[in-house]
Amino acid sequence: DIVMTQSPDSLAVSLGERATINCKSSQTVLSVSNNKNHLAWYQQKPGQPPRLLIYWASTRDSGVPDRFSGSESGTDFTLTISSLQAEDVAVYYCQQYYGTPPTFGQGTKVEI
Amino acid sequence: QVQLVQSGGEVKRPGASVKVSCKASGYSFTDYDLNWVRQAAGQGLEWMGWMNPSNGETGYAEKFQGRVSITRITSITTAYMELSSLRTDDTAVYYCARAPKCGTRCHYWFDPWGQGTLVIVSS
Repeated sequence: DIVMTQSPDSLAVSLGERATINCKSSQTVLSVSNNKNHLAWYQQKPGQPPRLLIYWASTRDSGVPDRFSGSESGTDFTLTISSLQAEDVAVYYCQQYYGTPPTFGQGTKVEI
Repeated sequence: QVQLVQSGGEVKRPGASVKVSCKASGYSFTDYDLNWVRQAAGQGLEWMGWMNPSNGETGYAEKFQGRVSITRITSITTAYMELSSLRTDDTAVYYCARAPKCGTRCHYWFDPWGQGTLVIVSS
């Protein structure tokens, strides 16, 4: 199985400041067929199911604010919240969908 | 709007089985794959298996092989996940989640997710 490792496990960011979450895959998740990284990011608030934020490592899902962005470098991936809002307090997960089974990172808790 | 509505919470004894339903609406049920993911309290997300609702093809995580079964009734756009031989460590919230259709041993992102079903396994 592909292991996804996120860092840090938690971080506290002031309102309006930048939050950066890292995710590293144990092997490539880059498909040669479409030259895209098979990597998604989700946001989960307490008592709610996960919400898709980003897929193909950097494509924002419809309706996701543009303060959320994803970037990639080899097997390292980053989710950036450019200006943290109060409603962004949540746990964030990365997920690879390149291999079977799809696997998730352990999550990163973002607090104010 | 696209929606997945799951059945209510369950309490089961160890060794029993549980069957969770997932009613899809707002899209063509057979045009997307359906996955099941679970989350133990305070823990991360664990993929259990997948189904192609158009032909019933399924795939399961090795960890759950032989204990999990995903089925569907297309006429009522509902998928089911049955987990047998329950253990206390199966206590978790179980989610269904839609994914773009991909194929056997192929996956995409999950969107949207059902609201979750809490299954408690306790003697």
